Amino acid sequence: AQTVTQSQPEMSVQEAETVTLSCTYDTSESNYYLFWYKQPPSRQMILVIRQEAYKQQNATENRFSVNFQKAAKSFSLKISDSQLGDTAMYFCAFKHWGSSGGYQKVTFGIGTKLQVIP
Amino acid sequence: EPEVTQTPSHQVTQMGQEVILRCVPISNHLYFYWYRQILGQKVEFLVSFYNNEISEKSEIFDDQFSVERPDGSNFTLKIRSTKLEDSAMYFCASSEAEEGDYGYTFGSGTRLTVV
Repeated sequence: AQTVTQSQPEMSVQEAETVTLSCTYDTSESNYYLFWYKQPPSRQMILVIRQEAYKQQNATENRFSVNFQKAAKSFSLKISDSQLGDTAMYFCAFKHWGSSGGYQKVTFGIGTKLQVIP
Repeated sequence: EPEVTQTPSHQVTQMGQEVILRCVPISNHLYFYWYRQILGQKVEFLVSFYNNEISEKSEIFDDQFSVERPDGSNFTLKIRSTKLEDSAMYFCASSEAEEGDYGYTFGSGTRLTVV
């Protein structure tokens, strides 16, 4: 079974600064996807960024980037130029890539609460 | 941008009552999911649904739960006899059918309160 571990329950960062959220996972599979989801106070779940395990290049999405270390099973999220709207719960998530299609479930970490301070 | 729509946004129900949570997935998506999040805890998988049948379900998804896609657009989660511990945020999600995986699109959730 896959597990996703987020060891930082809460973090804070000054506006405009950079912050890194940690995530490790455990799997015996070689093909999978990793995601970071953002859950603002509205409690909606918003996909921030995704990474395919077979790609060595780290994914980037505007101010969001990841540091994917496959051997170490680590998938951290870096938020640059933090904005007040980044205040949210951030969930790291794992999904096995199966040949059967897209129905594979996503396993979430317990989340990191990020507070951006003005 | 296409959205997954969930109704109602908040539902209060008495213990033992049946509730139906409704979702309208993105129209060209073929895979559908329900997740739940008990307050302050992580998001947990309940069930996935494809081609009009359940693909996978978790141990949480017991006989009290059922899902349906009654009319080709709605995707519902029914809890037959609610318990206090069913109080949670319930998220519907859908995903594309093509090769590769772009993650889910989640709805904004239904907050279920069982009293």
